[in-house]
Amino acid sequence: GQQLNQSPQSMFIQEGEDVSMNCTSSSIFNTWLWYKQDPGEGPVLLIALYKAGELTSNGRLTAQFGITRKDSFLNISASIPSDVGIYFCAGHPGNTGKLIFGQGTTLQVKP
Amino acid sequence: DTAVSQTPKYLVTQMGNDKSIKCEQNLGHDTMYWYKQDSKKFLKIMFSYNNKELIINETVPNRFSPKSPDKAHLNLHINSLELGDSAVYFCASRRGEKLFFGSGTQLSVL
Repeated sequence: GQQLNQSPQSMFIQEGEDVSMNCTSSSIFNTWLWYKQDPGEGPVLLIALYKAGELTSNGRLTAQFGITRKDSFLNISASIPSDVGIYFCAGHPGNTGKLIFGQGTTLQVKP
Repeated sequence: DTAVSQTPKYLVTQMGNDKSIKCEQNLGHDTMYWYKQDSKKFLKIMFSYNNKELIINETVPNRFSPKSPDKAHLNLHINSLELGDSAVYFCASRRGEKLFFGSGTQLSVL
């Protein structure tokens, strides 16, 4: 089945640093979504991307839909302790109705 | 006024038992999902219902039986629980391309 490869698997950074993570697919995706999961909670939508090349921001978060439609990037600027959590990329391949998730990037921020 | 709510939050049970997890959404969405998150945090789709009709079944063992009495509810019944069923189960509802998740049910099978 279709898979999303997300990297890095984990990051341990200092407060104030910028963070980048990315997601790639072997097939074309029509939509890319980025979610954050806090411990004991469900994933919460951060950013949704709908067309190739799209660049969208949500506060300190910026995400891009790759030109090839096979990748996406999420950047977090000036990280703070509450950014800690697991970040997931997700995408809709075609019109299957399935939202497929990457393996997640665990972010830890040292104050 | 929680959008997607699922109960119980925690479920601890013995192998071989039958258990149910309930999910309700007050967002007015037509499509709902069940996902399973394993110990490595990987999220895998299990089922999807659209307006009470099953539209996605991802080769889940038939011990798992979803039921949707109406479009606001999607319950998950699991028969003959096995150790490998231990995981966090998430319910979600969909608007457009976006999924909105509940806070999860942590199932522990002993």
